[in-house]
Amino acid sequence: AQSVAQPEDQVNVAEGNPLTVKCTYSVSGNPYLFWYVQYPNRGLQFLLKYITGDNLVKGSYGFEAEFNKSQTSFHLKKPSALVSDSALYFCAVRDGRSNYQLIWGAGTKLIIKP
Amino acid sequence: NAGVMQNPRHLVRRRGQEARLRCSPMKGHSHVYWYRQLPEEGLKFMVYLQKENIIDESGMPKERFSAEFPKEGPSILRIQQVVRGDSAAYFCASSPPARGVPLNTDTQYFGPGTRLTVL
Repeated sequence: AQSVAQPEDQVNVAEGNPLTVKCTYSVSGNPYLFWYVQYPNRGLQFLLKYITGDNLVKGSYGFEAEFNKSQTSFHLKKPSALVSDSALYFCAVRDGRSNYQLIWGAGTKLIIKP
Repeated sequence: NAGVMQNPRHLVRRRGQEARLRCSPMKGHSHVYWYRQLPEEGLKFMVYLQKENIIDESGMPKERFSAEFPKEGPSILRIQQVVRGDSAAYFCASSPPARGVPLNTDTQYFGPGTRLTVL
């Protein structure tokens, strides 16, 4: 079955420390992977995506993600967290059977403490 | 370039009433997607439309829900005879015409959502 797992409901990080938000996936065919961020009462904002090429993808607001095929993971990272990074983060993968459908993780709440 | 617009942002309906949610895609985008987000959950795909065509409505409940994307004007998600279980955030996303067929890798850009509350 095709799926996306975000194993942590919540991640707490002190400001200035590195952060990681985990994502693993299961999909037929080559995965197209996405990260989105959702601020309270707002829509989702695109952060970055992996389609092909370099396994390390750089995105908006200093975020990056590393595609690891053997571990079927696409963890989101940032070297130094900001309080303003506190939000809900969603990982998504394009359904291998579809030209457009995205399968979404349940989201991880990221809390950055000053 | 304005982003994806959705209105209303908040909608309150009583059980049995109709809810109409509107979505205007980004300029130049001809593909529209509707998603539903329940509290503490991720997004669930509902329907994918292009101008005047429903491409995939496999995620939409068979009854009471319908969607359209007319040649002119916004896309409309209509929920008839709403029930309390319809209370959720409904997000619209848009993407440009597919450049690569069948491999559409274009990013979907989301609107701010409509939060529907059914009393």
